[in-house]
Amino acid sequence: DTAVSQTPKYLVTQMGNDKSIKCEQNLGHDTMYWYKQDSKKFLKIMFSYNNKELIINETVPNRFSPKSPDKAHLNLHINSLELGDSAVYFCASSQVGRDEKLFFGSGTQLSVL
Amino acid sequence: DQQVKQNSPSLSVQEGRISILNCDYTNSMFDYFLWYKKYPAEGPTFLISISSIKDKNEDGRFTVFLNKSAKHLSLHIVPSQPGDSAVYFCAATVRSGNTGKLIFGQGTTLQVKP
Repeated sequence: DTAVSQTPKYLVTQMGNDKSIKCEQNLGHDTMYWYKQDSKKFLKIMFSYNNKELIINETVPNRFSPKSPDKAHLNLHINSLELGDSAVYFCASSQVGRDEKLFFGSGTQLSVL
Repeated sequence: DQQVKQNSPSLSVQEGRISILNCDYTNSMFDYFLWYKKYPAEGPTFLISISSIKDKNEDGRFTVFLNKSAKHLSLHIVPSQPGDSAVYFCAATVRSGNTGKLIFGQGTTLQVKP
């Protein structure tokens, strides 16, 4: 009964491939996010969705496409993977307007070879 | 253009002593600040927060201090325990923006030695 769950936990793939990371939350939150933790360890926001509507898109290459089929799910699809995409990707959710606490998934470590 | 910075990548403290983790920010619009704790192979978990209308917030062994004029906040852990060993992230947001967007620092790795 994990609050925010993302799969897979590890993803190793070749350059040029297309891959997806799935995220689901059972907290009843209306906002979900994707964060990227790069090699310098900063956690940077990529996208946020509120009730299936894109709210934040932080200058992310259009090879990255988030998809939210409903407010409990936010998936991340990445086309034509590049070496620089190697990072840890975290999904998170919150109830904006109630408080600003994000609840994070355990992360997906993506390695592009 | 990092708006939130944690300039100490690591900190080592003896069990029972105080741990002080620091965080600086540049955006004066930030009005809410949070600390997250992260263990290896897990996502960050919320620890404590503070609104810009306060200068201190306490929760058990954890206290966050905010100095708005210096754009600085700190997290105090007293007494430190080995289980506190983790990476601590400072984060900030503009609540009135209502987007929920948090800006994170790069984290400080705390090691508490038994």
